Amino acid sequence: DIVMTQTPLSLPVTPGEPASISCRSSQSLLDSDNGNIYVDWYLQKPGQSPQLLIYTLSYRASGVPDRFSGSGSASDFTLKISRVEAEDVGFYYCMQSMEFPYSFGQGTKLEIK
Amino acid sequence: QITLKESGPTLVKPTQTLTLTCTFSGFSLSTSGVGVGWIRQPPGKALEWLALIYWDDDKNYSPSLKNRLTITKDTSKDQVVLTMTNMDPVDTATYYCAHSEDAGFGEFPDYWGQGTLVTVSS
Repeated sequence: DIVMTQTPLSLPVTPGEPASISCRSSQSLLDSDNGNIYVDWYLQKPGQSPQLLIYTLSYRASGVPDRFSGSGSASDFTLKISRVEAEDVGFYYCMQSMEFPYSFGQGTKLEIK
Repeated sequence: QITLKESGPTLVKPTQTLTLTCTFSGFSLSTSGVGVGWIRQPPGKALEWLALIYWDDDKNYSPSLKNRLTITKDTSKDQVVLTMTNMDPVDTATYYCAHSEDAGFGEFPDYWGQGTLVTVSS
């Protein structure tokens, strides 16, 4: 199974400041046939279900503000928030959708300073 | 508008079988490329992917739970059912169902239900 490792696990951020979350996979998530990298990012706000933010490395899901962006390489990924807002608090998870079983990172808790 | 909702018992006893139903709307599970999966989250812990069923009845299971899981669909009722046998207190979690669809840029849970908390206790 592919293991996803996130850092940091806790991220205090001042509103208006940028934030960055890293995720690393134990195997490459690059599909050499089409160049897609199958990593996705979710935000779970307090008391809510996870919501899709980014899919296939860098595509923003519908309705997601453009302050969220995804980037990375075959096994090293980053979610960036250009300017954190109060509504961005919650747990962020990376997930690999390269192969079954899909697997998630441990989660990163973003909180406002 | 795609929506999903989980239903089932909130409390089960150890060794019992859990049956959860995901009732959805806004899409058809007979459409090519569409799938419905289950993910769970123990209290205060991370997400764990469990199983997925496709429009063509193809299925995938978490290897660590494969012997205990069965996923089925009823297209006429727009429902997906997950059964998990031999429940244990460590299976206490919120269980989510989610829609996925291969749109050419990957396949991933994009719409999630609200989740249902299942507690395993005698």
